[in-house]
Amino acid sequence: QKEVEQNSGPLSVPEGAIASLNCTYSDRVSQSFFWYRQYSGKSPELIMSIYSNGDKEDGRFTAQLNKASQYVSLLIRDSQPSDSATYLCAVRLFSGGYNKLIFGAGTRLAVHP
Amino acid sequence: DVKVTQSSRYLVKRTGEKVFLECVQDMDHENMFWYRQDPGLGLRLIYFSYDVKMKEKGDIPEGYSVSREKKERFSLILESASTNQTSMYLCASSFLQGTNEKLFFGSGTQLSVL
Repeated sequence: QKEVEQNSGPLSVPEGAIASLNCTYSDRVSQSFFWYRQYSGKSPELIMSIYSNGDKEDGRFTAQLNKASQYVSLLIRDSQPSDSATYLCAVRLFSGGYNKLIFGAGTRLAVHP
Repeated sequence: DVKVTQSSRYLVKRTGEKVFLECVQDMDHENMFWYRQDPGLGLRLIYFSYDVKMKEKGDIPEGYSVSREKKERFSLILESASTNQTSMYLCASSFLQGTNEKLFFGSGTQLSVL
C-alpha cells in the first residue's frame, strides 16, 4: 500500500462547480497534511495546510481532515479555468528516524468553461 | 521572496556520465530536499538534509549521492547516469516551526540520459 494515495484523474468539472479532491494515507500517527498545486510545466506551490480534524477554509478552498478514517480532502468552490492544475496531497510522517514529507501522485483537475 | 535556484532547466547526458545537479537557496533554510517527479508516480524523495554536512536517504536513494558543504547549497550527484534516471528533478528548501512547514521549490531540471 502506498503511503499517500490519490486518484490520478483527470477530474473534469464545469466552471462554477465544486471540485472535490481526495487523499488517503497509511500512517495513523501523521499530524500534518498539505495540499500543493502544480501548473503544467511549473513547480508545486503550497495552497493549504491542515493539522486538526474538521474543516479549514481559505477563500474558495476548504481542506477537510478525518484522522480516524485517514482521509484528507480539498474542496474548491466556484471552480475557475485557472484552477486547472495537478493537486498534490502531502503528508508528514515519521519514517526511518526522521520526519519526512511524502507526496501522493497527484490528481489532475480540468475546469471547463 | 524565497528563491530556490537550480543550475540547469534542461540537461542531456550520456549513459555512464557523472552528473551534478546544483541547488542554491537564499533564505537561510535549514532543510533541503531532492525529489524526482515522474508521470503517474508523483514526487519521490531521493535525499534530504536538515543541516550542513548532514544527509539522509529518502525513499529512492539508489544511484544517487548528495553533498551539503554549505547551508545554502545542496547538490545531487548521479554517480553513473542511467536511462532510468531520465526524469524531472526538483530541489526544495524549508524551515520547520513545530509541525508547520512550507516547501519552496526550484523550477526543476529536466534530465535526459541517452
